[in-house]
Amino acid sequence: AQSVTQLDSQVPVFEEAPVELRCNYSSSVSVYLFWYVQYPNQGLQLLLKYLSGSTLVKGINGFEAEFNKSQTSFHLRKPSVHISDTAEYFCAVSPQGAQKLVFGQGTRLTINP
Amino acid sequence: DGGITQSPKYLFRKEGQNVTLSCEQNLNHDAMYWYRQDPGQGLRLIYYSQIVNDFQKGDIAEGYSVSREKKESFPLTVTSAQKNPTAFYLCASSIAGGPSDTQYFGPGTRLTVL
Repeated sequence: AQSVTQLDSQVPVFEEAPVELRCNYSSSVSVYLFWYVQYPNQGLQLLLKYLSGSTLVKGINGFEAEFNKSQTSFHLRKPSVHISDTAEYFCAVSPQGAQKLVFGQGTRLTINP
Repeated sequence: DGGITQSPKYLFRKEGQNVTLSCEQNLNHDAMYWYRQDPGQGLRLIYYSQIVNDFQKGDIAEGYSVSREKKESFPLTVTSAQKNPTAFYLCASSIAGGPSDTQYFGPGTRLTVL
């Protein structure tokens, strides 16, 4: 079975500061890795995904994530956040050979002016 | 515009009543999914379907039922057997249901049991 742990339930930061949202996973098989963003009262939108190749993945809105196989982590980063980045962020894994996403509990990112 | 529509946005139900949530997509995707979202628990998979007239249970299927009679539609019925149905329900679709496929989400339906 797979599990995803997002280490922080809430992350407050000041506008224009850098941010890192942490994600660790466990799986007995290889997985694909995803980050989704959910703005208030909306559905989820894909930020980025790692399938293979370079471990540094760039996504939309200036976000990037790095896959670390030895530490089974996929942390999300942005060098300078904006008020519009206020949202909930979900890390998810999809086991190779399966047809389902397993989500973490989510991290609420709050940007203070 | 292509996308996923869910209706209604808000739904209220009395205890003991069944209720059906609508999900329609015009992306020509083969696979469709239903998730339940509760605060602090992320999303949990209820049912998914990779092809018309076929669907599989997810992790929390008890008290729910689905049908897939058309490619574009995947309605979810919350039955009276679901003990705690108040939640935010999200429908999603992907092109073929493969593990590397991006899932595209609808705007969600918030169900409240009175």
